[in-house]
Amino acid sequence: KAGVTQTPRYLIKTRGQQVTLSCSPISGHRSVSWYQQTPGQGLQFLFEYFSETQRNKGNFPGRFSGRQFSNSRSEMNVSTLELGDSALYLCASSTVGETQYFGPGTRLLVL
Amino acid sequence: DAKTTQPPSMDCAEGRAANLPCNHSTISGNEYVYWYRQIHSQGPQYIIHGLKNNETNEMASLIITEDRKSSTLILPHATLRDTAVYYCIVRVAGWESGGSNYKLTFGKGTLLTVNP
Repeated sequence: KAGVTQTPRYLIKTRGQQVTLSCSPISGHRSVSWYQQTPGQGLQFLFEYFSETQRNKGNFPGRFSGRQFSNSRSEMNVSTLELGDSALYLCASSTVGETQYFGPGTRLLVL
Repeated sequence: DAKTTQPPSMDCAEGRAANLPCNHSTISGNEYVYWYRQIHSQGPQYIIHGLKNNETNEMASLIITEDRKSSTLILPHATLRDTAVYYCIVRVAGWESGGSNYKLTFGKGTLLTVNP
């Protein structure tokens, strides 16, 4: 089976812009979770989607949002980018309640 | 989810066994112990998980103490490619999560350096 894929792998944006990141889960996995990793805060949970519904949400501002499509693919969006949003954004997929498998991540640099 | 405590760093000689400890003294009966590793700037890689019994797969072995308050991840023959940050995580079992995929709470992990 193909693993979790994330696009793009690298992205450079400027402050105030918005960005959309994409995640394709492992075939058959219906749950998709997003995480942010920064040197200062480590790996932090953003949100989780299942059956196109957000089931869990971490402690992030409303500028961070996401959605899931009927084929389980997910996107996350960050609006009004700030310098502190520079991070590695990771997506993980699983069958419900089971082991999460991570993608390679999207590295976002905000200038 | 219960919190975990891991040493910040460890060294291991190539070809030797690497034993990575994790303390999870507040673990609940419905919580699994999971191990992931992250090689620099890549996504975390799942290694192994267990509830009560010791587990082994092609990557590693997981030894959980009888009281479940601590565990040890064993890489039997460490190679240079095993150099990574290893995370020990406890999380609610799937059947207890109310149908939701419970989030993973990552600590700082252990940086394992395998030396030639």
